[in-house]
Amino acid sequence: DTGVSQDPRHKITKRGQNVTFRCDPISEHNRLYWYRQTLGQGPEFLTYFQNEAQLEKSRLLSDRFSAERPKGSFSTLEIQRTEQGDSAMYLCASSLAGRGGTDTQYFGPGTRLTVL
Amino acid sequence: GEDVEQSLFLSVREGDSSVINCTYTDSSSTYLYWYKQEPGAGLQLLTYIFSNMDMKQDQRLTVLLNKKDKHLSLRIADTQTGDSAIYFCAESMINTDKLIFGTGTRLQVFP
Repeated sequence: DTGVSQDPRHKITKRGQNVTFRCDPISEHNRLYWYRQTLGQGPEFLTYFQNEAQLEKSRLLSDRFSAERPKGSFSTLEIQRTEQGDSAMYLCASSLAGRGGTDTQYFGPGTRLTVL
Repeated sequence: GEDVEQSLFLSVREGDSSVINCTYTDSSSTYLYWYKQEPGAGLQLLTYIFSNMDMKQDQRLTVLLNKKDKHLSLRIADTQTGDSAIYFCAESMINTDKLIFGTGTRLQVFP
């Protein structure tokens, strides 16, 4: 297994367009997290899934953002009607919750979004 | 409340030890983590410590945890130029395990 992968790595879009990002977690990891990182800041939690259930959403996740994990494996994050303030690095992480583990999160390389 | 603070910048000479500090506010944290981020890349897990431990050593890395003061530190022995990066501490929140990150400390290693 090669770790968490994200696609695309870079996305440039015009204001008002919709974008969708994909995250493939480490296989058998039951939890999947999305974070957003702006320049000079640490990552901020957006939402997370346990299997296919979305269990928590941050207040940062406005109505324009939606995330899914339909089969409990890969996840997608969609941003509708993008704004310049959405420009950031979007990071995905996965972990194995329970089973006596530490639930340590392993991160993907991120998708850098630039909204013009 | 949830808040993690770090100093912004640290500069050390190659071969010296580096100490990166972090303070957090939530006493119910389960684990505390250190991640490394190189330019344009994702976060690489370096090490972690369970909240009921005081110290953990992992090769060149030593983590110290002072629960009373809610202070966490990462010591890197024999710092190399390849250690130059941004280092984030993070606390995991009970039940959800979502991570609360600090703003990161940029470590610069000069020859």
